[in-house]
Amino acid sequence: EAQVTQNPRYLITVTGKKLTVTCSQNMNHEYMSWYRQDPGLGLRQIYYSMNVEVTDKGDVPEGYKVSRKEKRNFPLILESPSPNQTSLYFCASSLFGQTGYMNEQFFGPGTRLTVL
Amino acid sequence: GQNIDQPTEMTATEGAIVQINCTYQTSGFNGLFWYQQHAGEAPTFLSYNVLDGLEEKGRFSSFLSRSKGYSYLLLKELQMKDSASYLCAVRPLSGNTPLVFGKGTRLSVIA
Repeated sequence: EAQVTQNPRYLITVTGKKLTVTCSQNMNHEYMSWYRQDPGLGLRQIYYSMNVEVTDKGDVPEGYKVSRKEKRNFPLILESPSPNQTSLYFCASSLFGQTGYMNEQFFGPGTRLTVL
Repeated sequence: GQNIDQPTEMTATEGAIVQINCTYQTSGFNGLFWYQQHAGEAPTFLSYNVLDGLEEKGRFSSFLSRSKGYSYLLLKELQMKDSASYLCAVRPLSGNTPLVFGKGTRLSVIA
C-alpha cells in the first residue's frame, strides 16, 4: 500500500530532551516536507527536501533539523525541545510530474508532540 | 509575497450545497489544490485546477478563475461526514517550490 508513515504517533517529553520523529514513504517520491499545525495558524512548513542530500528551510525552521540521506526517509530532529514546539506535526511527500511540476502531496498520519 | 484567504468557519445543513471560497495573491501561479482534513487527521487530496473552469468529481467540484485569483470548492448533497476543514493550496510558478497553504475553512454540517 502506498503510504507515508510517521513514528511515533504520540509523544510526551520534557524540555531539552533530544527527540527524533521519523518519516518514511514507499512511493519513490523526490519531494518530502515537514509541517506543524497549530490552532488558528494552519499548516506551517518547517523544512523541505527536493531530493536526497537537498534540504531547505520553510517558514518556521528555528529549533528543528532534518536530514535526507535516503530517498524514502526524512527524519525531523528536535535537539532541545521547548514547550512552544508542542504541536501536531505532519510529514508529506510528492512526486514531480513529467512537466517537472510538483503533483499533489500525500500526508502521513501526524505526530502529536507535547513538550512539558 | 504569498497570501491565501479563506473564511475561517462555515455552517451548512445536511443535504444542502455549500461553496467554500479561496482567494490568492502569490508570486506566480501554476495550479491550485484543495484538501480535506478531519479533526486530528492528515489532509487528503480532493481536487486540482490549473486552467480556468470547473472540475467535477462526484459530489465535489472545484472552480478556478486565474484572472481573479479566485477558486471555490462546491460540496453538494452535504453529509455529516463532510464536517471537516478544507484547505486551499497554491503551487507557485516555479514548479519545484513548495505549495503555499491557506489556513483552512472549518465546515460544520448540521442536521
